[in-house]
Amino acid sequence: NAGVTQTPKFQVLKTGQSMTLQCAQDMNHEYMSWYRQDPGMGLRLIHYSVGAGITDQGEVPNGYNVSRSTTEDFPLRLLSAAPSQTSVYFCASSYSIVGIYEQYFGPGTRLTVT
Amino acid sequence: GDSVTQMEGPVTLSEEAFLTINCTYTATGYPSLFWYVQYPGEGLQLLLKATKADDKGSNKGFEATYRKETTSFHLEKGSVQVSDSAVYFCALSDRGSGTYKYIFGTGTRLKVLA
Repeated sequence: NAGVTQTPKFQVLKTGQSMTLQCAQDMNHEYMSWYRQDPGMGLRLIHYSVGAGITDQGEVPNGYNVSRSTTEDFPLRLLSAAPSQTSVYFCASSYSIVGIYEQYFGPGTRLTVT
Repeated sequence: GDSVTQMEGPVTLSEEAFLTINCTYTATGYPSLFWYVQYPGEGLQLLLKATKADDKGSNKGFEATYRKETTSFHLEKGSVQVSDSAVYFCALSDRGSGTYKYIFGTGTRLKVLA
């Protein structure tokens, strides 16, 4: 099992550019999430999905889009990059046992917007 | 709303010292509690969990006890090693809320000196 994979590892964008961060998992997990990690703020939930075709907003969704066409993939799209989106982005997948969720994280994508 | 508060870091200890990282929470439902660890340049990994009051989670010499009366889940280790240097995140998942969302604390950086 590769677990949760993310590409790219590093990315530099100019303000206004768009791009897609890729996330894939091979554990057949139902739930997937995107977080951003900023110094002193911990992890903040951007969007999440409870199954293929179902997505919902998290705490900081503005400027980001997601879709979930398959169980395995959950890409995050930045529509028009802004310097405030400079961050480290983590994708996570999860399964539920009687309502208890353990999350498995990818290695992260470090994004810089200039 | 639900929240997690953990002690500010960084925490600097000598090898073989005793470690405590404090974590308190507020939750409207009946949360499960987790500690995740993030080593430099990596994603988060589950360290331990507890799903009901008085449960003790343990792994790799780390322990934490779910204290409902004090709404706390403090992380402890009797003798830290240099390899324990990392950022530690307390988190909750509230089954009672009927949603999947996780709430993370801001993280506590631990540095262990040889």
